Amino acid sequence: QKEVEQNSGPLSVPEGAIASLNCTYSDRVSQSFFWYRQYSGKSPELIMSIYSNGDKEDGRFTAQLNKASQYVSLLIRDSQPSDSATYLCAVNRGNYGGSQGNLIFGKGTKLSVKP
Amino acid sequence: NAGVTQTPKFQVLKTGQSMTLQCAQDMNHNSMYWYRQDPGMGLRLIYYSASEGTTDKGEVPNGYNVSRLNKREFSLRLESAAPSQTSVYFCASSAVVVAETQYFGPGTRLLVL
Repeated sequence: QKEVEQNSGPLSVPEGAIASLNCTYSDRVSQSFFWYRQYSGKSPELIMSIYSNGDKEDGRFTAQLNKASQYVSLLIRDSQPSDSATYLCAVNRGNYGGSQGNLIFGKGTKLSVKP
Repeated sequence: NAGVTQTPKFQVLKTGQSMTLQCAQDMNHNSMYWYRQDPGMGLRLIYYSASEGTTDKGEVPNGYNVSRLNKREFSLRLESAAPSQTSVYFCASSAVVVAETQYFGPGTRLLVL
Protein backbone atom coordinates (compact mmCIF):
# COMPACT_ATOMS: atom_id res chain seq x y z
CA GLN A 1 0.00 0.00 0.00
CA LYS A 2 1.45 3.32 -1.06
CA GLU A 3 1.18 5.75 1.81
CA VAL A 4 1.80 9.32 2.83
CA GLU A 5 2.18 9.91 6.55
CA GLN A 6 1.72 13.14 8.47
CA ASN A 7 1.47 13.96 12.13
CA SER A 8 -2.18 14.86 12.67
CA GLY A 9 -1.37 17.49 15.28
CA PRO A 10 -2.65 19.84 16.36
CA LEU A 11 0.61 21.75 16.05
CA SER A 12 0.43 24.93 18.04
CA VAL A 13 2.93 27.76 17.52
CA PRO A 14 2.97 31.38 18.72
CA GLU A 15 2.54 34.19 16.24
CA GLY A 16 5.83 35.09 14.59
CA ALA A 17 7.42 31.68 15.15
CA ILE A 18 8.45 29.12 12.53
CA ALA A 19 6.00 26.29 11.96
CA SER A 20 7.51 23.04 10.72
CA LEU A 21 5.27 20.47 9.05
CA ASN A 22 6.59 17.06 8.08
CA CYS A 23 5.58 14.30 5.70
CA THR A 24 7.02 10.91 4.81
CA TYR A 25 6.09 8.78 1.83
CA SER A 26 6.58 5.15 0.95
CA ASP A 27 6.77 5.09 -2.88
CA ARG A 28 10.44 5.49 -3.86
CA VAL A 29 9.61 6.36 -7.46
CA SER A 30 7.42 9.35 -6.57
CA GLN A 31 8.61 12.46 -8.40
CA SER A 32 6.15 15.22 -7.52
CA PHE A 33 5.32 16.62 -4.11
CA PHE A 34 2.72 19.16 -3.11
CA TRP A 35 1.58 21.03 -0.03
CA TYR A 36 -2.05 22.11 0.15
CA ARG A 37 -3.68 24.32 2.77
CA GLN A 38 -7.26 23.64 3.77
CA TYR A 39 -9.24 26.01 5.96
CA SER A 40 -12.12 24.52 7.91
CA GLY A 41 -15.09 23.97 5.64
CA LYS A 42 -13.18 24.94 2.51
CA SER A 43 -11.44 23.12 -0.31
CA PRO A 44 -7.69 22.44 -0.51
CA GLU A 45 -5.60 25.12 -2.16
CA LEU A 46 -2.04 24.70 -3.40
CA ILE A 47 0.73 26.27 -1.32
CA MET A 48 3.88 24.79 -2.80
CA SER A 49 5.04 22.17 -5.26
CA ILE A 50 8.54 20.67 -5.30
CA TYR A 51 10.14 18.20 -7.66
CA SER A 52 13.89 18.23 -6.88
CA ASN A 53 15.91 17.54 -3.77
CA GLY A 54 16.66 20.60 -1.69
CA ASP A 55 14.76 23.70 -0.70
CA LYS A 56 12.23 25.78 -2.58
CA GLU A 57 11.20 29.13 -1.17
CA ASP A 58 8.10 31.20 -1.89
CA GLY A 59 7.58 34.15 0.40
CA ARG A 60 7.18 32.91 3.96
CA PHE A 61 6.94 29.29 2.82
CA THR A 62 9.84 26.90 2.22
CA ALA A 63 9.37 23.35 0.99
CA GLN A 64 12.19 20.87 1.59
CA LEU A 65 12.59 17.54 -0.20
CA ASN A 66 14.90 14.65 0.59
CA LYS A 67 14.18 11.75 -1.77
CA ALA A 68 16.80 9.49 -0.20
CA SER A 69 15.01 9.73 3.13
CA GLN A 70 11.57 9.90 1.48
CA TYR A 71 10.80 13.02 3.42
CA VAL A 72 9.23 16.33 2.52
CA SER A 73 8.60 19.26 4.84
CA LEU A 74 7.02 22.70 4.83
CA LEU A 75 8.36 25.57 6.89
CA ILE A 76 6.22 28.63 7.54
CA ARG A 77 8.24 31.59 8.76
CA ASP A 78 6.71 34.47 10.75
CA SER A 79 3.56 32.42 11.32
CA GLN A 80 0.32 34.39 11.41
CA PRO A 81 -3.08 33.48 12.90
CA SER A 82 -4.35 33.41 9.31
CA ASP A 83 -2.03 30.44 8.70
CA SER A 84 -4.17 28.36 11.08
CA ALA A 85 -5.47 25.56 8.87
CA THR A 86 -4.92 21.93 8.03
CA TYR A 87 -1.94 21.29 5.75
CA LEU A 88 -2.11 18.35 3.39
CA CYS A 89 0.94 16.68 1.91
CA ALA A 90 0.37 15.03 -1.50
CA VAL A 91 2.69 12.77 -3.45
CA ASN A 92 2.26 11.38 -6.95
CA ARG A 93 2.14 7.63 -7.37
CA GLY A 94 5.00 7.53 -9.81
CA ASN A 95 5.09 4.62 -12.24
CA TYR A 96 2.30 2.61 -10.70
CA GLY A 97 0.26 0.95 -13.37
CA GLY A 98 -2.76 2.71 -14.75
CA SER A 99 -2.88 5.24 -11.98
CA GLN A 100 0.48 6.79 -12.82
CA GLY A 101 0.57 10.35 -11.71
CA ASN A 102 -2.42 10.25 -9.39
CA LEU A 103 -1.86 11.94 -6.06
CA ILE A 104 -1.91 10.25 -2.69
CA PHE A 105 -2.83 12.62 0.12
CA GLY A 106 -1.77 12.47 3.72
CA LYS A 107 -4.43 12.94 6.35
CA GLY A 108 -3.15 16.41 7.14
CA THR A 109 -1.60 18.29 10.03
CA LYS A 110 -3.74 20.84 11.82
CA LEU A 111 -1.79 24.01 12.56
CA SER A 112 -2.90 26.56 15.13
CA VAL A 113 -1.08 29.90 15.34
CA LYS A 114 -1.76 31.67 18.62
CA PRO A 115 -1.76 35.50 18.72
CA ASN B 1 -12.50 32.53 -14.94
CA ALA B 2 -14.36 30.50 -12.29
CA GLY B 3 -11.86 27.61 -12.07
CA VAL B 4 -13.60 24.45 -10.86
CA THR B 5 -17.28 24.67 -9.96
CA GLN B 6 -19.47 22.07 -8.27
CA THR B 7 -23.20 21.72 -7.77
CA PRO B 8 -24.97 21.32 -5.48
CA LYS B 9 -23.18 22.76 -2.45
CA PHE B 10 -25.19 20.69 -0.02
CA GLN B 11 -27.60 17.77 -0.37
CA VAL B 12 -29.58 15.53 1.94
CA LEU B 13 -30.65 12.14 0.62
CA LYS B 14 -32.54 9.21 2.02
CA THR B 15 -31.01 5.75 1.83
CA GLY B 16 -31.63 4.27 -1.61
CA GLN B 17 -32.12 7.57 -3.42
CA SER B 18 -29.95 8.47 -6.36
CA MET B 19 -28.28 11.72 -7.32
CA THR B 20 -25.63 13.18 -9.59
CA LEU B 21 -22.94 15.60 -8.50
CA GLN B 22 -21.87 17.98 -11.22
CA CYS B 23 -18.41 19.39 -11.82
CA ALA B 24 -17.14 21.77 -14.47
CA GLN B 25 -13.81 23.46 -15.11
CA ASP B 26 -12.94 26.35 -17.39
CA MET B 27 -9.15 26.00 -17.36
CA ASN B 28 -8.98 23.75 -20.43
CA HIS B 29 -7.58 20.96 -18.28
CA ASN B 30 -7.37 17.44 -19.64
CA SER B 31 -7.64 15.53 -16.36
CA MET B 32 -10.41 15.57 -13.77
CA TYR B 33 -10.92 13.80 -10.46
CA TRP B 34 -13.51 13.02 -7.82
CA TYR B 35 -12.46 12.70 -4.17
CA ARG B 36 -14.28 12.16 -0.95
CA GLN B 37 -13.04 13.52 2.36
CA ASP B 38 -14.04 11.99 5.67
CA PRO B 39 -12.83 12.91 9.17
CA GLY B 40 -9.66 11.01 10.00
CA MET B 41 -9.45 9.48 6.51
CA GLY B 42 -8.07 12.30 4.42
CA LEU B 43 -8.82 12.74 0.73
CA ARG B 44 -9.50 9.52 -1.13
CA LEU B 45 -9.76 9.23 -4.89
CA ILE B 46 -13.05 7.78 -6.16
CA TYR B 47 -12.66 8.02 -9.95
CA TYR B 48 -10.58 10.01 -12.35
CA SER B 49 -10.54 10.89 -16.01
CA ALA B 50 -7.08 11.30 -17.49
CA SER B 51 -8.50 12.79 -20.66
CA GLU B 52 -11.80 13.31 -22.43
CA GLY B 53 -13.32 9.93 -23.24
CA THR B 54 -11.54 7.95 -20.52
CA THR B 55 -12.42 7.16 -16.92
CA ASP B 56 -10.72 4.94 -14.38
CA LYS B 57 -11.33 3.72 -10.86
CA GLY B 58 -9.49 5.22 -7.95
CA GLU B 59 -9.10 3.99 -4.41
CA VAL B 60 -12.79 3.83 -3.37
CA PRO B 61 -15.02 3.43 -6.48
CA ASN B 62 -17.69 1.08 -5.10
CA GLY B 63 -21.18 2.59 -5.13
CA TYR B 64 -20.28 5.32 -7.63
CA ASN B 65 -20.28 5.86 -11.37
CA VAL B 66 -18.84 8.71 -13.39
CA SER B 67 -19.30 10.31 -16.78
CA ARG B 68 -16.84 12.55 -18.58
CA LEU B 69 -19.44 14.46 -20.53
CA ASN B 70 -16.93 16.59 -22.44
CA LYS B 71 -13.59 18.19 -21.72
CA ARG B 72 -15.14 20.63 -19.22
CA GLU B 73 -17.56 18.42 -17.29
CA PHE B 74 -17.16 15.36 -15.10
CA SER B 75 -20.13 14.05 -13.11
CA LEU B 76 -20.35 11.61 -10.22
CA ARG B 77 -23.46 9.49 -9.74
CA LEU B 78 -24.68 7.67 -6.67
CA GLU B 79 -27.21 5.11 -7.90
CA SER B 80 -28.47 3.98 -4.49
CA ALA B 81 -27.15 6.16 -1.69
CA ALA B 82 -26.03 4.61 1.59
CA PRO B 83 -25.25 6.28 4.95
CA SER B 84 -21.59 5.30 4.41
CA GLN B 85 -21.53 7.73 1.49
CA THR B 86 -22.13 10.68 3.80
CA SER B 87 -19.07 12.79 3.09
CA VAL B 88 -17.69 15.92 1.50
CA TYR B 89 -17.04 15.42 -2.20
CA PHE B 90 -14.43 17.41 -4.06
CA CYS B 91 -13.88 17.62 -7.77
CA ALA B 92 -10.44 18.60 -9.04
CA SER B 93 -8.74 19.14 -12.36
CA SER B 94 -5.21 19.31 -13.68
CA ALA B 95 -3.60 20.04 -17.03
CA VAL B 96 -2.41 16.44 -17.27
CA VAL B 97 -2.38 13.53 -14.85
CA VAL B 98 1.36 13.17 -14.36
CA ALA B 99 3.21 15.58 -12.09
CA GLU B 100 0.76 18.43 -12.42
CA THR B 101 -0.97 20.50 -9.76
CA GLN B 102 -4.59 19.67 -9.08
CA TYR B 103 -7.05 22.50 -8.53
CA PHE B 104 -10.07 21.83 -6.37
CA GLY B 105 -13.68 22.89 -6.52
CA PRO B 106 -15.54 24.20 -3.44
CA GLY B 107 -17.00 20.80 -2.54
CA THR B 108 -20.40 19.21 -2.06
CA ARG B 109 -21.53 18.20 1.41
CA LEU B 110 -23.71 15.10 1.20
CA LEU B 111 -25.72 13.69 4.06
CA VAL B 112 -27.40 10.31 3.56
CA LEU B 113 -30.02 9.47 6.18
